[in-house]
Amino acid sequence: QVQLVESGGGVVQPGRSLRLSCAASGFTFSNHGMHWVRQAPGKGLEWVAVIYFDGSKQHYVDSVKGRFTISRDNSRNTLYLQMNSLRAEDTAVYYCARDFDSSGYFLFDYWGQGTLVTVSS
Amino acid sequence: EIVLTQSPGTLSLSPGERATLSCRASQSVSSSYLAWYQQKPGQAPRLLIYGASTRATGIPDRFSGSGSGTDFTLTISRLEPEDFAVYYCQLYGSSLWTFGQGTKVEIK
Repeated sequence: QVQLVESGGGVVQPGRSLRLSCAASGFTFSNHGMHWVRQAPGKGLEWVAVIYFDGSKQHYVDSVKGRFTISRDNSRNTLYLQMNSLRAEDTAVYYCARDFDSSGYFLFDYWGQGTLVTVSS
Repeated sequence: EIVLTQSPGTLSLSPGERATLSCRASQSVSSSYLAWYQQKPGQAPRLLIYGASTRATGIPDRFSGSGSGTDFTLTISRLEPEDFAVYYCQLYGSSLWTFGQGTKVEIK
């Protein structure tokens, strides 16, 4: 069965960096686009970034452009999110989610359980 | 930019009752690209419906989706205890995507 397991969350000071990982199993990882979606405490869902199946393209929400980098290692079935210059408003649960398609179709058919990132001094 | 507005914000119902959730788009969208997700407290969202009316794998048939143009509906025919959750609609596709703000279905 499809499994997505995030890790790497924690408490970090403003301006610092953090890298999230998402280990995928149960499907052919290299056939699917992958996303990061976040949810601030008590708020709704916000898409953050997408990477195409082969890593050829990435897109970001405006609020993280230039600070966050999404990447993937298809040999390790793992998705990453490098988060630099973190701000208080980045505090959220970060979910990795599989795209229904190979690129950026933005239909999220499977989700991980999420990892909490708290940005606080 | 297309905005999805869900109503009501909160729906208070009893188990066994019918739930009708609305999602309205600020401009006409293709029904091929409208999805619904369920999120229970402390859990990740789960895909329920895509293409406005197609149930995702493993979703019970008490969940149904309908609509076109600017108005879409998620119906839960008879609420089970596990159905009390927050529901999000979402527009998807390669050129535009967005989530609604969510409707909470709570036990009355």
